[in-house]
Amino acid sequence: ETGVTQTPRHLVMGMTNKKSLKCEQHLGHNAMYWYKQSAKKPLELMFVYSLEERVENNSVPSRFSPECPNSSHLFLHLHTLQPEDSALYLCASSQGLAGATWQFFGPGTRLTVL
Amino acid sequence: DAKTTQPTSMDCAEGRAANLPCNHSTISGNEYVYWYRQIHSQGPQYIIHGLKNNETNEMASLIITEDRKSSTLILPHATLRDTAVYYCIVRGGGADGLTFGKGTHLIIQP
Repeated sequence: ETGVTQTPRHLVMGMTNKKSLKCEQHLGHNAMYWYKQSAKKPLELMFVYSLEERVENNSVPSRFSPECPNSSHLFLHLHTLQPEDSALYLCASSQGLAGATWQFFGPGTRLTVL
Repeated sequence: DAKTTQPTSMDCAEGRAANLPCNHSTISGNEYVYWYRQIHSQGPQYIIHGLKNNETNEMASLIITEDRKSSTLILPHATLRDTAVYYCIVRGGGADGLTFGKGTHLIIQP
């Protein structure tokens, strides 16, 4: 595997389900991000982890719970979601947080909440 | 609020150079200009970034004006596979991630 991988690629869940999205980066980076892209809206930053510590929580509801067990893996745990949470969830990684550092994105998980 | 302004859409003929403009008149001295593109329902793809000088890589060239208030992304020989939404982003670093606007929908015509 190369780059950033995300699983599953598609997920359909009910509002009472609990599920998790997984992201893995194979680039040796030390920062990871979760973004959300709703239909016809720009990408929104959700969470930022640097050196496995959360450094940004962009006013995200508590029904989204991130976890970064090591620098290569990032999870997004989902529970009691709402239909408006249906979106493309994107993971990205970078080497550091400096302005000159570009982010590498995964293919995304298409989430549908029924 | 978006820090950049881009045209909503542009057309370009296949094989020609595609020139995508971006205005960032409030850019700060430590902020970089980034370009990403997103093909429908895929993750954004990094293209190029720069601070003050013009930059070129295997995908594109980035021309930044001397006052840094605007820039142009140039795809030298556009192909049909370059049809995508192109995002111009300014970023100064730190834990603020990337702020995406609406971008420019570039359509390459055969």
